[in-house]
Amino acid sequence: GENVEQHPSTLSVQEGDSAVIKCTYSDSASNYFPWYKQELGKRPQLIIDIRSNVGEKKDQRIAVTLNKTAKHFSLHITETQPEDSAVYFCAASIQDGNKLVFGAGTILRVKS
Amino acid sequence: GAVVSQHPSWVICKSGTSVKIECRSLDFQATTMFWYRQFPKQSLMLMATSNEGSKATYEQGVEKDKFLINHASLTLSTLTVTSAHPEDSSFYICSALSHRGEGQYFGPGTRLLVL
Repeated sequence: GENVEQHPSTLSVQEGDSAVIKCTYSDSASNYFPWYKQELGKRPQLIIDIRSNVGEKKDQRIAVTLNKTAKHFSLHITETQPEDSAVYFCAASIQDGNKLVFGAGTILRVKS
Repeated sequence: GAVVSQHPSWVICKSGTSVKIECRSLDFQATTMFWYRQFPKQSLMLMATSNEGSKATYEQGVEKDKFLINHASLTLSTLTVTSAHPEDSSFYICSALSHRGEGQYFGPGTRLLVL
């Protein structure tokens, strides 16, 4: 079955710097890759997603890139702010594209 | 749009009792909902897929008789933890599949503590 690996497990950056989180997946049939942000004790929130027919997608300070050949995708956050501090999860779709397999998560700390 | 609610937000119960958790899609119809379990500082573990009008599909290792799922309408799915034990204590989160194909939207979660 699908296996999603996420790195790093923790990431500390200075406010204003960029942060990059990387994920790899194993199932070449996966075609949908969302990223979620979860603050402590709260629900995961969809922040950006990408489908396999697109190589890159950007939304203000957040971007996601996808390399289908290498089976990896990355989250890029530019000009980080303290409110970006949270746990970020990547995920990859399986089966009919509706079920998701999640990565282990990355704790992002933005130091001011 | 795509708001999902969950009730209750937290519950404390005695061992042996059953607890029902509700998941509702407030502003859209969701034919498919998912139930996850999340342990502290860990990722989301899919327990089951809930389909409106049909039986839920459980992931390997999840006891269907222990975690009863009912998806009776296009906006409501329920998870009942039967004969709860302390090891069932966890954060349970539901999600609903967006009808616009925009991925899954999560409820706020239910924190269950079994004494």
